[in-house]
Amino acid sequence: EVQLVESGGDLVQPGGSLRLSCAASGFTFTTYDLTWVRQAPGKGLEWVSAITGRGDNTYYADSVKGRFTISRDNSKNTLYLQMNNLRAEDTAKYYCASRHSIGWYIDYWGQGSLVTVSS
Amino acid sequence: EIVLTQSPATLSLSPGERATLSCRASQSVNSFLAWYQHKPGQAPRLLIYDASNRATGIPARFSGSGSGTDFSLTISSLEPEDFAVYYCQQRKAWPITFGQGTRLEIK
Repeated sequence: EVQLVESGGDLVQPGGSLRLSCAASGFTFTTYDLTWVRQAPGKGLEWVSAITGRGDNTYYADSVKGRFTISRDNSKNTLYLQMNNLRAEDTAKYYCASRHSIGWYIDYWGQGSLVTVSS
Repeated sequence: EIVLTQSPATLSLSPGERATLSCRASQSVNSFLAWYQHKPGQAPRLLIYDASNRATGIPARFSGSGSGTDFSLTISSLEPEDFAVYYCQQRKAWPITFGQGTRLEIK
């Protein structure tokens, strides 16, 4: 069974940094492209970033480009999202998810990790 | 960036009724469109991919249609568990984008 478990969400001040982690199990980690999707309170889904299986290609939404960095440690079956210079509008539940075999749709999702940016 | 506009924002129907949700893209996405169901406190669930293909385990009452810029998700006969928020998503071009969602509520 595929499992994705996020951790690292917290309350952080504007301008601060946070790193989210996503521990994966139940599948061959290196063969899966992975992504982060967020949902701000009362808002819809917003794609944030994606990374290929070997980590050689990364993609970012314009809203986070230059501030967030996606990475993965294939020896630990773990996905990361380093978030710097956080803003109030980054407040959201962040979901770790995997790419569908057909293409960039999302078939498996974690339960999410809450990031709150506030002073 | 490809903008997806969903309508209506809210749809009020009763169990047993037919639901039709729409998603319009700002430019052609061919058939590279998916639909998700999202319930409070749960992770989103993939329903339809590539416009008309049901994902694994999705009941036959869910169907998708369309191509280019206009797409629909139809639920043929609503079950109580179908009341949720539905999102469309395109994979034609980076960045991946979602529609703003349609809330399907019990009338």
